[in-house]
Amino acid sequence: GAGVSQSPSNKVTEKGKDVELRCDPISGHTALYWYRQSLGQGLEFLIYFQGNSAPDKSGLPSDRFSAERTGGSVSTLTIQRTQQEDSAVYLCASSSRQSRVQGYTFGSGTRLTVV
Amino acid sequence: GENVEQHPSTLSVQEGDSAVIKCTYSDSASNYFPWYKQELGKGPQLIIDIRSNVGEKKDQRIAVTLNKTAKHFSLHITETQPEDSAVYFCAASRITGGGNKLTFGTGTQLKVEL
Repeated sequence: GAGVSQSPSNKVTEKGKDVELRCDPISGHTALYWYRQSLGQGLEFLIYFQGNSAPDKSGLPSDRFSAERTGGSVSTLTIQRTQQEDSAVYLCASSSRQSRVQGYTFGSGTRLTVV
Repeated sequence: GENVEQHPSTLSVQEGDSAVIKCTYSDSASNYFPWYKQELGKGPQLIIDIRSNVGEKKDQRIAVTLNKTAKHFSLHITETQPEDSAVYFCAASRITGGGNKLTFGTGTQLKVEL
């Protein structure tokens, strides 16, 4: 597609449940990033994938968080046993090393609310 | 790791005035500095970026300056318009062959008043 697509746009879940957030990057973009944005806060790095390299997981806040990227395209961020502090907007971005700039293209995010 | 600080957190200007947002970074190896604009309910959008081999870059009403020695960079918006109202984020990274992990500032809420 023309942009980065994220689904669902909104997700309300009960504490303790697992959730999956999906990101569909721009076709041909080799890098994919996940960030978390809490209310009124900046963007907190979670994980990124670059081509076939091992992902950089250094930003994942706990072992309840995991992500995968299948076939070098779509990515899924999974949060197990959700907690209220997981409530935030989860943003996905992609970029291309061949592009004129190194900037990301972000999706519109998934707003996760844990009740 | 990299640490980016951004000031001010909120900024209110009159339409037509200039707005300046400032950021500092800690990692002297950082060489790429983008700025993003985020409107309500949307993801951040890249508006301008600068690399460490350049001191200033301009694109119409927006400009970015970089002082590598002092490790700070600034966004300048001239002739502000109501549609410039948004949250602006600065970021820094060290571009390597393996990727480009950005560290973001905490954002500046810009309000342009009529």
